[in-house]
Amino acid sequence: SQTIHQWPATLVQPVGSPLSLECTVEGTSNPNLYWYRQAAGRGLQLLFYSVGIGQISSEVPQNLSASRPQDRQFILSSKKLLLSDSGFYLCAWEGGSMNTEAFFGQGTRLTVV
Amino acid sequence: AQKITQTQPGMFVQEKEAVTLDCTYDTSDPSYGLFWYKQPSSGEMIFLIYQGSYDQQNATEGRYSLNFQKARKSANLVISASQLGDSAMYFCAITAGGTSYGKLTFGQGTILTVHP
Repeated sequence: SQTIHQWPATLVQPVGSPLSLECTVEGTSNPNLYWYRQAAGRGLQLLFYSVGIGQISSEVPQNLSASRPQDRQFILSSKKLLLSDSGFYLCAWEGGSMNTEAFFGQGTRLTVV
Repeated sequence: AQKITQTQPGMFVQEKEAVTLDCTYDTSDPSYGLFWYKQPSSGEMIFLIYQGSYDQQNATEGRYSLNFQKARKSANLVISASQLGDSAMYFCAITAGGTSYGKLTFGQGTILTVHP
């Protein structure tokens, strides 16, 4: 069966520090991968998605970037964190052409101080 | 552009009763998909139910059913026989037809509290 792993679960980082959040999927190949952010008490906002290795689409301009170095690995990064980057970050995958629903990871709660 | 509106910030229901969570949507795409996800306090997003815009019948999944009224652009979630474990945040979401089901536009969510 397919599983998605996301880490770390919580992170407290100072303003101006770098960020790297990792997401990996097991049990499937060539998934579509997504990064979402959820502000406190709000809905999810799509940040990035990827349909293949090295292919990244950005949905909103921001201080973050994403990379997909391997088929089942998706990384969210920042060179210098801002206070406004605080939030709950969720990685998701779905099977692409199979038209299946998206499955989400456990999320990372990031607090920038 | 697509938009989801969930007008109920919070809802309360007695255990074993049914509850309806409202969702209205706006889209210019003739083909689209509607989803409901549950987010417990742990934070993970759990898929509940899907309705395609061309589906003739309302979707059902166990205790969950989707009351799809296309002309009114509404896709309300009905939970029958509520359980204490149903207490969570619920999100309605939409994706354009022909688009991957992971490219979702979410509403603001409704917090459901089930009382014993």
